Amino acid sequence: DAKTTQPTSMDCAEGRAANLPCNHSTISGNEYVYWYRQIHSQGPQYIIHGLKNNETNEMASLIITEDRKSSTLILPHATLRDTAVYYCIVSREETSGSRLTFGEGTQLTVNP
Amino acid sequence: GAVVSQHPSWVICKSGTSVKIECRSLDFQATTMFWYRQFPKQSLMLMATSNEGSKATYEQGVEKDKFLINHASLTLSTLTVTSAHPEDSSFYICSASGGLAEEGEQFFGPGTRLTVL
Repeated sequence: DAKTTQPTSMDCAEGRAANLPCNHSTISGNEYVYWYRQIHSQGPQYIIHGLKNNETNEMASLIITEDRKSSTLILPHATLRDTAVYYCIVSREETSGSRLTFGEGTQLTVNP
Repeated sequence: GAVVSQHPSWVICKSGTSVKIECRSLDFQATTMFWYRQFPKQSLMLMATSNEGSKATYEQGVEKDKFLINHASLTLSTLTVTSAHPEDSSFYICSASGGLAEEGEQFFGPGTRLTVL
């Protein structure tokens, strides 16, 4: 699976948009970009995933560059409960469940 | 989203004993379950992948005789840490895929914190 690079930490003001970048320059054509987050001492939570088109759901938007070498997760109106470690993962999509390799992620802190 | 539970949520045991951790998918049939381990201030590390009715596939460096995984039904997988030692103390997390999940999506349990004295 392709390796990803994320900033170690980011801060965001409550109510503002949080934009979390991820580099995945070695991504291959059949690999998807997944985003998960982990609130302290809990299991990770799925956020969104995409292949090459931008995606949006009730939690976030995912913007993937045209060359697919990087992406940005956007939380449109961050709240204090969005404080968590955000993981960007590249993996092939499997019907039986993709094998996810977690990196170090980005610690997002939303400040009041 | 689908719900995955783990039991127990935390356990303390003596060195040399075995500990069993259960992972259940509550409202869907999980064709595949995954087991992860997470040490303090570190990321999750995949230990093994199990498909219902077949033997688990272990990641490189994970001892299959020490970490026994059973996936006997579509809603239950168990991880048994045999002859636990203090270095096995960690946060163990399972995830499940299938049913309501989108392609490639995994639903994670809340984790089990194991402390070996």
